Amino acid sequence: GENVEQHPSTLSVQEGDSAVIKCTYSDSASNYFPWYKQELGKRPQLIIDIRSNVGEKKDQRIAVTLNKTAKHFSLHITETQPEDSAVYFCAEGVSNDYKLSFGAGTTVTVRA
Amino acid sequence: DAGVIQSPRHEVTEMGQEVTLRCKPISGHDYLFWYRQTMMRGLELLIYFNNNVPIDDSGMPEDRFSAKMPNASFSTLKIQPSEPRDSAVYFCASKPGLAGASSYNEQFFGPGTRLTVL
Repeated sequence: GENVEQHPSTLSVQEGDSAVIKCTYSDSASNYFPWYKQELGKRPQLIIDIRSNVGEKKDQRIAVTLNKTAKHFSLHITETQPEDSAVYFCAEGVSNDYKLSFGAGTTVTVRA
Repeated sequence: DAGVIQSPRHEVTEMGQEVTLRCKPISGHDYLFWYRQTMMRGLELLIYFNNNVPIDDSGMPEDRFSAKMPNASFSTLKIQPSEPRDSAVYFCASKPGLAGASSYNEQFFGPGTRLTVL
């Protein structure tokens, strides 16, 4: 995968509301789609990932959906909390090529 | 396990000087990646290694950048000569091979080196 677009670049939500970040990719061979969270001054850390044989995956308050036909995938955070404030990066890759291409990132701010 | 270790954490140098960034991957991980993060360009992959062999260096910006992995537990990224536009946070990441962790593509990032070239 060579190109992934991520929107929006910034997102401000009220605590308790949901946040949705969307990414689109162009390489139809891409089959692995992780999401990383980077808190201010810290390293990126994987929070959830999905493979192309699955349409949706959930882990507590976060979920990721994948539409392979349309080549887009989304991160959903429900019941947002102040500790969800961070930069979120989507990425895409191909299983036999272990490098990842990252989106530009979305800065999420949860207002108390 | 201490995770991926990078040194130094901060580096301030003057234009024209040589800069060497160091990385120790997680023990047993077969893959090592070097990334550069800036506000303008986001998170860019520079180069990655598999079993100490460089696989893809297409992201290395120019000949001033070089990377080595002399053994499974150590890698360096060198910039010579450095320029102000090289100022960024440089991350090293590692991941296990297919026989490793269940999430076989998960990359584990180090704390990064913040480089400032004056």
